[in-house]
Amino acid sequence: EAQVTQNPRYLITVTGKKLTVTCSQNMNHEYMSWYRQDPGLGLRQIYYSMNVEVTDKGDVPEGYKVSRKEKRNFPLILESPSPNQTSLYFCASRKGLAGGLERFGPGTRLTVT
Amino acid sequence: GQQLNQSPQSMFIQEGEDVSMNCTSSSIFNTWLWYKQEPGEGPVLLIALYKAGELTSNGRLTAQFGITRKDSFLNISASIPSDVGIYFCAGQPEEAGYALNFGKGTSLLVTP
Repeated sequence: EAQVTQNPRYLITVTGKKLTVTCSQNMNHEYMSWYRQDPGLGLRQIYYSMNVEVTDKGDVPEGYKVSRKEKRNFPLILESPSPNQTSLYFCASRKGLAGGLERFGPGTRLTVT
Repeated sequence: GQQLNQSPQSMFIQEGEDVSMNCTSSSIFNTWLWYKQEPGEGPVLLIALYKAGELTSNGRLTAQFGITRKDSFLNISASIPSDVGIYFCAGQPEEAGYALNFGKGTSLLVTP
């Protein structure tokens, strides 16, 4: 089944403890991105990648890192999480750069205390 | 990217009623998309539009790509309880890279 998977689905952590949220897609998509979703603010893009080893900042990149060493994987790294990074995170992917049609993962709910 | 203006913010309707929501942008878009998000899940693509004036249906859902290329509309006919969720518009601007711009969503509640 074609899908985007994320792990973990839920995570509670403490301020400053490094964490990684994994994202994987099995559709051979070139474009992958990370979003955070907060009440009243909608979906905001954190980082995106147009292909292997090509990543760039989205609208809210501060406090996050990403890497794209393989086409299928696009992990999101929080080196030193802070409470303002408590949010619902979505990974998404799509074929090619134009034409939209992003497919979203199921989400990771992160709480930083 | 810019935040799209999506309205209404929320709707509380009775089963069987029709629903309309819309999305506007300040710039021209090449692609308009409509997603639905249910609690605890990621957004799921409902309809994609690629040409000005295009009208596309998916079951009881119909969406249109505005003639000006700065707006889009989603209609749901004869709503049912399982239509409950948050509906998002998204678009890819003509000039501004490859990122999608999103609306803040329309929360739909349907009472039996």
